[in-house]
Amino acid sequence: SQTIHQWPATLVQPVGSPLSLECTVEGTSNPNLYWYRQAAGRGLQLLFYSVGIGQISSEVPQNLSASRPQDRQFILSSKKLLLSDSGFYLCAWSETVGYGYTFGSGTRLTVV
Amino acid sequence: GQQLNQSPQSMFIQEGEDVSMNCTSSSIFNTWLWYKQDPGEGPVLLIALYKAGELTSNGRLTAQFGITRKDSFLNISASIPSDVGIYFCAGRRNAGNMLTFGGGTRLMVKP
Repeated sequence: SQTIHQWPATLVQPVGSPLSLECTVEGTSNPNLYWYRQAAGRGLQLLFYSVGIGQISSEVPQNLSASRPQDRQFILSSKKLLLSDSGFYLCAWSETVGYGYTFGSGTRLTVV
Repeated sequence: GQQLNQSPQSMFIQEGEDVSMNCTSSSIFNTWLWYKQDPGEGPVLLIALYKAGELTSNGRLTAQFGITRKDSFLNISASIPSDVGIYFCAGRRNAGNMLTFGGGTRLMVKP
C-alpha cells in the first residue's frame, strides 16, 4: 500500500534562517506531488506541484522553492525565512493530476 | 480563477444534532470530493462524487453532487465529539486539472 511521510512534524526557526522540509512517498511510482500551506487552521493554498523528477510548477510567487531530486521525494526550501512563512505545511500525492490527493501529516512551522 | 465558496465557515453544535454544509461555484465541476482534517493532522478523504445528482454515504456522512454540477453538499447525522475538525470540499473541472479547495468549515461539537 502507498504511504506518505513528511517531516519534521514541528519546527521553530528564527527569521532569516534556511528551511528544508522533506516529503517522501512509498509504494507507488511517478506520483504527482504537491506542497500546500495552511494559515490559521483554515484554507489550503497550493504552493508547488510536480508531475515528474525535476519538474516543478509554482502557483504562488514567494520566498519558497521546491525541488524533486528523486521520483518519490519532494523538498520545500527557503534560503531566508520570513515571519509570514509561519504556517502548517502539507505534502500530498496523487496517481493522476487533480484526483484523490492523499495528504501527509503536516509540518507546523513557526518563524520567530 | 476558479473558486469554491464553502459555508458555513464554522459551526458550533450540540452532540446528537445533524450538520449540513455546502460548497458552491460559478463554474462546473465534474468531480467533487469532501475531506476532513483533524486538529494538527493532514486532511483525509471522506467521500468522492463523480456524477451529477449522485448521493453517496459513508457511515453517518452523506454527500451529494449537485444537479447543476456547480455545488455539493455534505450532511452529518447524529454528530459526536470526534466529528470535530475542518471539513473541506474540493472540485476538479476536468481530467488533468488540479483540485480546487474550498475555504473549509470548522465544526465544533459540544458534548
